[in-house]
Amino acid sequence: KQEVTQIPAALSVPEGENLVLNCSFTDSAIYNLQWFRQDPGKGLTSLLLIQSSQREQTSGRLNASLDKSSGRSTLYIAASQPGDSATYLCAVYNQGGKLIFGQGTELSVKP
Amino acid sequence: DTAVSQTPKYLVTQMGNDKSIKCEQNLGHDTMYWYKQDSKKFLKIMFSYNNKELIINETVPNRFSPKSPDKAHLNLHINSLELGDSAVYFCASSHAGEAGGSYNEQFFGPGTRLTVL
Repeated sequence: KQEVTQIPAALSVPEGENLVLNCSFTDSAIYNLQWFRQDPGKGLTSLLLIQSSQREQTSGRLNASLDKSSGRSTLYIAASQPGDSATYLCAVYNQGGKLIFGQGTELSVKP
Repeated sequence: DTAVSQTPKYLVTQMGNDKSIKCEQNLGHDTMYWYKQDSKKFLKIMFSYNNKELIINETVPNRFSPKSPDKAHLNLHINSLELGDSAVYFCASSHAGEAGGSYNEQFFGPGTRLTVL
């Protein structure tokens, strides 16, 4: 059974710092992996989708990597801003198209 | 705006009642989903429909019945509501994939916060 774990559960950093969010999954036979952000009381916003054949994907200040063999993905955020404060969710696609979520990392960027 | 929309945004009701949540997407997607986010913020898939056909049905009580009148709509009807049904319900959509499931990027609606008293 696929399990997705995100560490740390919460992170507080000063503005301008570069940071890394971690995601690990127990079954390396995934299809794709998607990173989302969720603002309080809001829905999920898709940030990046990494296909299983890719090693990384970039969008602006965000860079996500995928290492299927070790069951890990990281989300790197460069030059963090207060507007980046949110919960970041990692999710993996299992066989049958099921999206399995981690419990998220709550990020707070202090001005 | 191209998006996934849900109504209502908030739903407060008594135990035992029956309620529905509606979802619509105008992204031209073929596959739609319902997820439940519990009080600990954990998100779990409930159902998935591809072109009006049920393709994923997790171990959800049969009090929950999804209905897809067309590709752009997926509604969720809940009978005999219980306290444990209180959660945020999210609808999502994506392009269809190969037979057996879609692994394409999913786009989520704003959520419906259901409170059962």
